[in-house]
Amino acid sequence: EVQVVESGGGLVKPGGSLRLSCAASGFTFSNAWMSWVRQAPGKGLEWVGRIKSKTDGGTTDYAAPVKGRFTISRDDSKNTLYLQMNSLKTEDTAVYYCTTEIVVPAAITYLQHWGQGTLVTVSS
Amino acid sequence: SSELTQDPAVSVALGQTVRITCQGDSLRSYYATWYQQKPGQAPLLVIYGQNNRPSGIPDRFSGSSSGNTASLTITGAQAGDEADYYCNSRDSSYNHLMFGGGTKLTVL
Repeated sequence: EVQVVESGGGLVKPGGSLRLSCAASGFTFSNAWMSWVRQAPGKGLEWVGRIKSKTDGGTTDYAAPVKGRFTISRDDSKNTLYLQMNSLKTEDTAVYYCTTEIVVPAAITYLQHWGQGTLVTVSS
Repeated sequence: SSELTQDPAVSVALGQTVRITCQGDSLRSYYATWYQQKPGQAPLLVIYGQNNRPSGIPDRFSGSSSGNTASLTITGAQAGDEADYYCNSRDSSYNHLMFGGGTKLTVL
């Protein structure tokens, strides 16, 4: 059974840092593209960024609101995905979800397996 | 433009058919994906690609696309289908992903 489990959320002051983790199991993590998606309280879904598999270059892409402040990394030996969040702002308050990103030729991309999310609250 | 537009709310009578739409320029190049989210739960993939359902998703859920508009159709809506529905696709400019604002479906 595929599982992704996020952890590391909590309360942090504006300007602070936090690192989220996502433990994956039930699939070959090293071959997977992984994305982070967030959802502010009462709001819609927002894509945060992705990391490709190392065989596909291991590169990262970020949404404009987090570029330069957030860093996605992976440890394939531990089947774990990370989201390092620096210079946090109140508007970063959200539930953060870890997902597997499936990219199929012919213009198909989808987020298949989702964790239950971890809440990050940025407040003084 | 780099946006996906959804109607904020749609309602359907129990057992009837409802279509939820998603508009955006990127949908001319990329298929939409649809997710269902119930209160307090993580999103659930319901439709991807031309019209593909993951295992466990009932066949009353179907997807279609025309031009810059993608649609999710629920045939014979049930009370358990009441949820927020989000469309998602790739941004044709930056290879990022983006979501529509979501549609709250009420089953009357």
